[in-house]
Amino acid sequence: QITLKESGPTLVKPTQTLTLTCTFSGFSLNTSGVGVGWIRQPPGKALEWLALIYWDDVKRYSASLKSKSRVSITKETSKNQVVLTMTNMAPVDTATYFCAHKDSYGYGPFDYWGQGSLITVSS
Amino acid sequence: EFVLTQSPGTLSLSPGERATLSCRASQSVSSNFLAWYQQKPGQAPRLLIYGASNRATGIPDRFSGSGSGTDFTLTISRVEPEDFAVYYCQQYGRSYTFGQGTKLDIK
Repeated sequence: QITLKESGPTLVKPTQTLTLTCTFSGFSLNTSGVGVGWIRQPPGKALEWLALIYWDDVKRYSASLKSKSRVSITKETSKNQVVLTMTNMAPVDTATYFCAHKDSYGYGPFDYWGQGSLITVSS
Repeated sequence: EFVLTQSPGTLSLSPGERATLSCRASQSVSSNFLAWYQQKPGQAPRLLIYGASNRATGIPDRFSGSGSGTDFTLTISRVEPEDFAVYYCQQYGRSYTFGQGTKLDIK
């Protein structure tokens, strides 16, 4: 059974750096084709993909965030964790942040999701 | 920039009716790498359809997906009470893009 769970702070001040951890079970990030992504959703708004890391440590980022060099994704395979770091947080970054699993070559749909973690950016 | 436009924004139906949701892409979706998700309040999205027309594991057969190129459709043959939710399309052929969502609510 595949499960994922996000953890991290619930409140971040403007200009601070957000670090979120996705802890998963039921699969290995050593398996070919597997990846873990991060997606966020501002309150009442649509989903926005942020980043993806593959089993072979290849990383992909949303063009809008990559151009500003604000986001990075890493994995700790032995701990079954994926970490998202987002710098220079602003109130517009207030959202529920989800991590999700994919299991196909290329990008692939997200077939398992964490419950989400609401992050509020406020002074 | 890849844009997915969903219509209508809100669809009001009664249980038992047929629901047709549209997703239009600003450019052709490579290999029909188009997925549909259902999201209920306070929950994570759930994958319904991938590859434009393949049901994900455990998804009832009243849900079906169709389309190719730039025009895709999610159909719910007979809406059940538990189907009232927000539906998102997503392309995953070239990076990831989500549509803005269609809310299916009770008439």
